[in-house]
Amino acid sequence: NAGVTQTPKFQVLKTGQSMTLQCAQDMNHNSMYWYRQDPGMGLRLIYYSASEGTTDKGEVPNGYNVSRLNKREFSLRLESAAPSQTSVYFCASSERAESAGSPLHFGNGTRLTVT
Amino acid sequence: KNEVEQSPQNLTAQEGEFITINCSYSVGISALHWLQQHPGGGIVSLFMLSSGKKKHGRLIATINIQEKHSSLHITASHPRDSAVYICAVRPPHNYGQNFVFGPGTRLSVLP
Repeated sequence: NAGVTQTPKFQVLKTGQSMTLQCAQDMNHNSMYWYRQDPGMGLRLIYYSASEGTTDKGEVPNGYNVSRLNKREFSLRLESAAPSQTSVYFCASSERAESAGSPLHFGNGTRLTVT
Repeated sequence: KNEVEQSPQNLTAQEGEFITINCSYSVGISALHWLQQHPGGGIVSLFMLSSGKKKHGRLIATINIQEKHSSLHITASHPRDSAVYICAVRPPHNYGQNFVFGPGTRLSVLP
């Protein structure tokens, strides 16, 4: 039972390089999310996808793009990485965004360093 | 905007102690979640509360909607409880933001 699978686990980029973080869930969840976690701050929403075919900006979307490839997969792309994007990134999914009782299931995180 | 605060920021306890972690938030919510982040980084959901109290093993979570406050209690703490505990609130009718997270409480339980 894999749950939410994120790749890669670690990545080092130089300023200006691009990369895509991959996320897949096998729980048939409708909603998927990308968060970043920085020291001393709570998790912050970058983008979310309430259902297949839709994506919306969260609290901190600048510098990122997303693709909801199908119901299972939700990728996050950094087109031109900046040191401010050094962070730990988490993908998460939930059954339905509009359900208050729908818990979040998290991937194991990607630790990204931009030099 | 809903702010979520947690106290304490850091907590060190001896094995067997009773532990309380607090969470307070500033506006109305539809649900509150407690999450546990392991030292390796993985995050798991412990509880979802909209009222009252829930218990799972040695963990107890309570919420007081009127006071906008929740507590997570750990009885007979054990070194394997060492983790960061995160409170997350779900604003009503705000599917976009979906959850607002507290900064976390880092718990270390010493043998």
